[in-house]
Amino acid sequence: GDSVTQMEGPVTLSEEAFLTINCTYTATGYPSLFWYVQYPGEGLQLLLKATKADDKGSNKGFEATYRKETTSFHLEKGSVQVSDSAVYFCALSQNTGGFKTIFGAGTRLFVKA
Amino acid sequence: NAGVTQTPKFQVLKTGQSMTLQCAQDMNHNSMYWYRQDPGMGLRLIYYSASEGTTDKGEVPNGYNVSRLNKREFSLRLESAAPSQTSVYFCASSEEGLSGNTIYFGEGSWLTVV
Repeated sequence: GDSVTQMEGPVTLSEEAFLTINCTYTATGYPSLFWYVQYPGEGLQLLLKATKADDKGSNKGFEATYRKETTSFHLEKGSVQVSDSAVYFCALSQNTGGFKTIFGAGTRLFVKA
Repeated sequence: NAGVTQTPKFQVLKTGQSMTLQCAQDMNHNSMYWYRQDPGMGLRLIYYSASEGTTDKGEVPNGYNVSRLNKREFSLRLESAAPSQTSVYFCASSEEGLSGNTIYFGEGSWLTVV
């Protein structure tokens, strides 16, 4: 079945460091790919998404490119801030007689001042 | 713009008690969901409703029941709470379209069963 695998955390970085959180997926069809972010004490919210191969999603300085050849959707940010500390979830969604969304386990990011 | 609203935010139950988590969305979405989130387990789908009048089991439905009261509201009921149901519960709704299925989450309900 479909699955999403993302790097285990926690990831600890200093402010202004470069961030990469790896995400790979397994899917039989052509899914849409998402990154959601969960700040402390809150629900998940959409960070960015990409719907087809080679699409790049971007938001708030974060970027991820849909790589079909490597079945990956790695999240990157050039310079993290303390306010980026959160849990990041990679997810895929596709319509298989009804939309189904599969979430990764989440990666916790700590950014130190 | 309220989005997805769920109540209560915090609840402590004794083993064997029952309770209902309420959820409402104002985005006119067809699909609604209940997830639970536990440390080290990620998000697990309990039940979902693809449209008004339909409900289906997710990954971990045992011990729960749901009601899709109308298009806006989707409630989750614990008939006889157990300590294993201590968790954070998230209600969500989604819009389906050509760009996939974007899910909108409520802020969560922290439930402790003692």
